[in-house]
Amino acid sequence: DIVMTQSPVSLPVTPGEPASMSCRSSQSLLQSNGDNYLNWYLQKPGQSPQLLMYLGSNRASGVPDRFSGSGSGTNFTLKISRVEAADVGVYYCMQPLQTPTFGGGTKVDIK
Amino acid sequence: QVQVVESGGGVVQPGRSLRLSCAASGFTFSLYGMHWVRQVPGKGLEWVGVISYDGSKKYYADSLKGRFTISRDNSKNTLYLQINSLRVEDTAVYYCAIAPNYSGYDGAIDYWGQGTLVTVSS
Repeated sequence: DIVMTQSPVSLPVTPGEPASMSCRSSQSLLQSNGDNYLNWYLQKPGQSPQLLMYLGSNRASGVPDRFSGSGSGTNFTLKISRVEAADVGVYYCMQPLQTPTFGGGTKVDIK
Repeated sequence: QVQVVESGGGVVQPGRSLRLSCAASGFTFSLYGMHWVRQVPGKGLEWVGVISYDGSKKYYADSLKGRFTISRDNSKNTLYLQINSLRVEDTAVYYCAIAPNYSGYDGAIDYWGQGTLVTVSS
């Protein structure tokens, strides 16, 4: 299975400030057409996970543009340009290239 | 609006079986593949399996093959997950979700339900 590794495990953030988290895969997720098979999810406290980004950098419907995804191959980053209180929760990356696997998550909370 | 609602969870003894259901509404159920994902309380996400739009193809996590069976009834807009020989380690919230096609990409898992908690305990 492809192993997904996220860092940091915990990320205290200040509202209005930027935040960034990393996801690494044990195998390349880059396809020959240039697509990276990498999704990002946010699970807010007490809620189900919600899709944030797909194909590494495409925002899902309704996702604010303060969220951006980047990276290719085995290294990916999710950035929040200006953190809001509503952004707290656990962020997961996931690869669907082979048997789907999730990273362990990055927990974002307010300082 | 698009909605999926899981049901069927509860407290079950080890070794017993359980069937979870996922009722879909707000979209054409018969056109979409569907996933099951589980989450041990307080832990991360684990993919369980996926079924194609017509039920002809099913894929499972290697560690769960043999005890888990996904099925669907498109006439009832309902997805199922049968779990046999339940183990304590199967205790988790089980989510169903849609496998949409975004511009040819079918790798996203979107529109998750609220989940149903299965507790395996004697």
